[in-house]
Amino acid sequence: AQKITQTQPGMFVQEKEAVTLDCTYDTSDPSYGLFWYKQPSSGEMIFLIYQGSYDQQNATEGRYSLNFQKARKSANLVISASQLGDSAMYFCAMRENSGYALNFGKGTSLLVTP
Amino acid sequence: NAGVTQTPKFRVLKTGQSMTLLCAQDMNHEYMYWYRQDPGMGLRLIHYSVGEGTTAKGEVPDGYNVSRLKKQNFLLGLESAAPSQTSVYFCASGYSGTEPTDTQYFGPGTRLTVL
Repeated sequence: AQKITQTQPGMFVQEKEAVTLDCTYDTSDPSYGLFWYKQPSSGEMIFLIYQGSYDQQNATEGRYSLNFQKARKSANLVISASQLGDSAMYFCAMRENSGYALNFGKGTSLLVTP
Repeated sequence: NAGVTQTPKFRVLKTGQSMTLLCAQDMNHEYMYWYRQDPGMGLRLIHYSVGEGTTAKGEVPDGYNVSRLKKQNFLLGLESAAPSQTSVYFCASGYSGTEPTDTQYFGPGTRLTVL
């Protein structure tokens, strides 16, 4: 069964606007971590932000914030004030306490337009 | 700091040939991982290591072997390459793997084509 679901294959946003990338997850483990990675066209995987299942507050890192809704099992990435350099694939991933692997979603392609 | 580095960046093999991918990290991380990424998919774990001299199987280990002789290096071997192993291979490392929020940092990837 798919543990991470990203329902938006592609998204467009205009420069300087905010955008939300959706991610839902499935786990019965009470302890887990949720991560977002950015993969630009050059191919590397860049860590952006993480959220622990026991964290009370939503994580933020600069222009990135994670909208964590535990009851709904969602961990959406919000990018504020989009920049052209934000154009990339974005992957949501989860690691459960019971394992070592990061379970990745299929990704969302974001295109920022002038 | 270089972070996580991978060599080579690109490689083309013929079916049946062997090769080794090298991953090195300079962050003194205990945990290291090998993933593969196929088109339209996220990454899948091949093998991992929780410390020098240890290795363990991940989700898709068949056809691969690994070794961790030194803490900073993690090698991925293909003994007899098959076209199904055409993929982009990513190495990652993490300071610790004991907490689910421990971050994994990735190398730039190796693009492998098996003809």
